Amino acid sequence: AQSVTQPDIHITVSEGASLELRCNYSYGATPYLFWYVQSPGQGLQLLLKYFSGDTLVQGIKGFEAEFKRSQSSFNLRKPSVHWSDAAEYFCAVAPRDNFNKFYFGSGTKLNVKP
Amino acid sequence: EAGVVQSPRYKIIEKKQPVAFWCNPISGHNTLYWYRQNLGQGPELLIRYENEEAVDDSQLPKDRFSAERLKGVDSTLKIQPAELGDSAVYLCASSLSAQETQYFGPGTRLLVL
Repeated sequence: AQSVTQPDIHITVSEGASLELRCNYSYGATPYLFWYVQSPGQGLQLLLKYFSGDTLVQGIKGFEAEFKRSQSSFNLRKPSVHWSDAAEYFCAVAPRDNFNKFYFGSGTKLNVKP
Repeated sequence: EAGVVQSPRYKIIEKKQPVAFWCNPISGHNTLYWYRQNLGQGPELLIRYENEEAVDDSQLPKDRFSAERLKGVDSTLKIQPAELGDSAVYLCASSLSAQETQYFGPGTRLLVL
């Protein structure tokens, strides 16, 4: 069965510092991989996705993620965090034979210190 | 372009009462999804529509939950009767087709007392 693990429930970083949010998945074959962000009172917004090809994926708002097959990971990074990045971040996977069967992780809540 | 619209945004009801949520997807989007997001968890798919056909409702608790998308555009999700454990955020999403990116609405936060 599919599973997505986001081991960090809460993370606090200082504004301007770098950020890495972890995501590990469990699945027989490499699934499609996604990162979404959810701000309070807002719907989930797609940051980036990985289907195939280059394992370093660029997204919106200066985010990037790297797919590492050997580690079954898809970690999200940003070199310099802004206060407006405070939100909850969700990693999601979808099997290649059922693109829309999303499995979400439990989320990581990011706080940004001024 | 308007995003996915959901109403109401908040709903408080007593247990055993019925409740309904409405979703209007992005114009032209054929695929519509309903998710439930429990506190501290990621969303879980309840049902997916391709136009007016429910193509994946395996996670929908059919004893109390029902959904419809009669004209293949907007959709309604109903719970009858509601239980305490139904308290959650109910999210609607849509995509152009089953192979396209999903766009989410702001959700309806349900509290069952």
